[in-house]
Amino acid sequence: GNSVTQMEGPVTLSEEAFLTINCTYTATGYPSLFWYVQYPGEGLQLLLKATKADDKGSNKGFEATYRKETTSFHLEKGSVQVSDSAVYFCALYPGGTSYGKLTFGQGTILTVHP
Amino acid sequence: NAGVTQTPKFRVLKTGQSMTLLCAQDMNHEYMYWYRQDPGMGLRLIHYSVGEGTTAKGEVPDGYNVSRLKKQNFLLGLESAAPSQTSVYFCASSPGRNTDTQYFGPGTRLTVL
Repeated sequence: GNSVTQMEGPVTLSEEAFLTINCTYTATGYPSLFWYVQYPGEGLQLLLKATKADDKGSNKGFEATYRKETTSFHLEKGSVQVSDSAVYFCALYPGGTSYGKLTFGQGTILTVHP
Repeated sequence: NAGVTQTPKFRVLKTGQSMTLLCAQDMNHEYMYWYRQDPGMGLRLIHYSVGEGTTAKGEVPDGYNVSRLKKQNFLLGLESAAPSQTSVYFCASSPGRNTDTQYFGPGTRLTVL
């Protein structure tokens, strides 16, 4: 079956530090890959996505590259801000007749200190 | 355009009580989903619907029922609440076939004592 594994958290960084959150997946075929972000007290929002191998998704200074050879979709940001403190979820969509169903990783809590 | 809304935001139940969570979307989306979020486990799909009048089981359906009588609404019911159902519940919707992005509501925090 499909699965997503994220690096264990929580992650605590100082402002302007470099961020990497690892995500690896298991899936048949060619899934689409996503990063969702959940700010405190809110629902999940799509942060970025990539739909095929070697695609790079980017948004708000965050980037992730779809690496089929390593089945990975690691999230990076060069300089984090306090406002980036949130829970980050990696997810995949297998496509086909999956009716839009996503498989999520367990989430990584990021805290950024001034 | 409110997007996806959920009612209520918070609720405390006693074991054995019943309740219904309401999800509404104003984007004319075909597909709707109910998830539960528990610490360290990400989001797990409870039930989903691919259109008005249709529902299907997800990963963790036991103890829950759903209905989609109107396209814009998706109801999640707990007939006899148990402490194991203490969780944060999220509703989501997506436009439908060949679309992979979901839009989430703000969540309902449910505590079962």
